[in-house]
Amino acid sequence: AQSVTQPDIHITVSEGASLELRCNYSYGATPYLFWYVQSPGQGLQLLLKYFSGDTLVQGIKGFEAEFKRSQSSFNLRKPSVHWSDAAEYFCAVGPFRGQGGKLIFGQGTELSVKP
Amino acid sequence: DGGITQSPKYLFRKEGQNVTLSCEQNLNHDAMYWYRQDPGQGLRLIYYSQIVNDFQKGDIAEGYSVSREKKESFPLTVTSAQKNPTAFYLCASSKTTGNSYAGELFFGEGSRLTVL
Repeated sequence: AQSVTQPDIHITVSEGASLELRCNYSYGATPYLFWYVQSPGQGLQLLLKYFSGDTLVQGIKGFEAEFKRSQSSFNLRKPSVHWSDAAEYFCAVGPFRGQGGKLIFGQGTELSVKP
Repeated sequence: DGGITQSPKYLFRKEGQNVTLSCEQNLNHDAMYWYRQDPGQGLRLIYYSQIVNDFQKGDIAEGYSVSREKKESFPLTVTSAQKNPTAFYLCASSKTTGNSYAGELFFGEGSRLTVL
């Protein structure tokens, strides 16, 4: 069965420090992978996506992610975190043949930023 | 600007009442989705629709119903049969049609339902 695991429920980093959020997926075919960000009480905003090609993808707000097929991972990184990056981050995989464009989401990682 | 509008943003319901959450999109997307979000559980799919007058159950459809009479609209009804309806509900859309995937999901701002 398809699934997405985000091992870290909550991460705290200092402002200016580097960040890596982990995402592992289980999917039998070539996946499409996504990272979304959510501020409290808001909808989700797409940070970046991987469909094919270069395994290092750049997104908005200075984020990047690397697809590693051998590790079934799609970790999100940022070299220097800003206080405004505090939010919840979701990794997602999809779509699935015969099931339209639906995505399966991980449980989310809440990021706190210390001054 | 194109986007997805959900209403109301906050809704309170007494036990035993049905409530309907509205979702409208002007992105000309074919597919629409309803997800439920609970703390620590990520997003779980309730229903999705790839085309007008057709929809499919997601992973947690029990106690919910939907309709898709227009391409732009995909309302969700939370019925009294839903045992634990208090949650944050997110509507989304995408350009996909059938098995032809054309892009990511775009989300509305969400509706928070609280059962009193």
